[in-house]
Amino acid sequence: QVQLVQSGAEVKKPGASVKVSCKASGYTFTSYDINWVRQATGQGLEWMGWMNPNSGNTGYAQKFQGRVTMTRNTSISTAYMELSSLRSEDTAVYYCASSLAYENAFDIWGQGTMVTVSS
Amino acid sequence: AIQLTQSPSSLSASVGDRVTITCRASQGISSALAWYQQKPGKAPKLLIYDASSLESGVPSRFSGSGSGTDFTLTISSLQPEDFATYYCQQFNNYPPTFGQGTKLEIK
Repeated sequence: QVQLVQSGAEVKKPGASVKVSCKASGYTFTSYDINWVRQATGQGLEWMGWMNPNSGNTGYAQKFQGRVTMTRNTSISTAYMELSSLRSEDTAVYYCASSLAYENAFDIWGQGTMVTVSS
Repeated sequence: AIQLTQSPSSLSASVGDRVTITCRASQGISSALAWYQQKPGKAPKLLIYDASSLESGVPSRFSGSGSGTDFTLTISSLQPEDFATYYCQQFNNYPPTFGQGTKLEIK
């Protein structure tokens, strides 16, 4: 079935980097953009950016410019989101999401990856 | 960036009640709005796309309406499984943005 499966929870120290993966299955990975959304504990949803898996083109929210990098490995249908210079405020669940059926909605989501930043 | 303001931020209601959640955009977004339901520890789930189209498999008690700047999500008769947090999201302008969420609790 169509799904996005993310890597497991991470614990990082302030200043470090984290790389979260998102493996697509059940559809043609290179045909649909992958978006990343994060959610701090008890808070709302925050869009971080997008990547076109075919071209590798990316677009990042201004807040994360210079700290986030979105890449992909098309041979294994996997997208990656790397966030650097981590601080405690980056502690959150990170989701990948895509729009397969609709232009104006994310209709599939990964299960989420908890990233904890703590000294 | 376009700001989406949801109201109320939280809401207490009973099973069987009719509930309406509002999402107001800081500028016109045509009908490029989606609604999601999120339960604790789970990823958001798409309910409504293009402001008023029901996602496949979503119960018909959910409906969406609006265009321009004002949108509503209505649940016609609350069921126990509907107690969750609801978010709107706009796609008309880059970057896509979310409302702050509405937590629907059992009265």
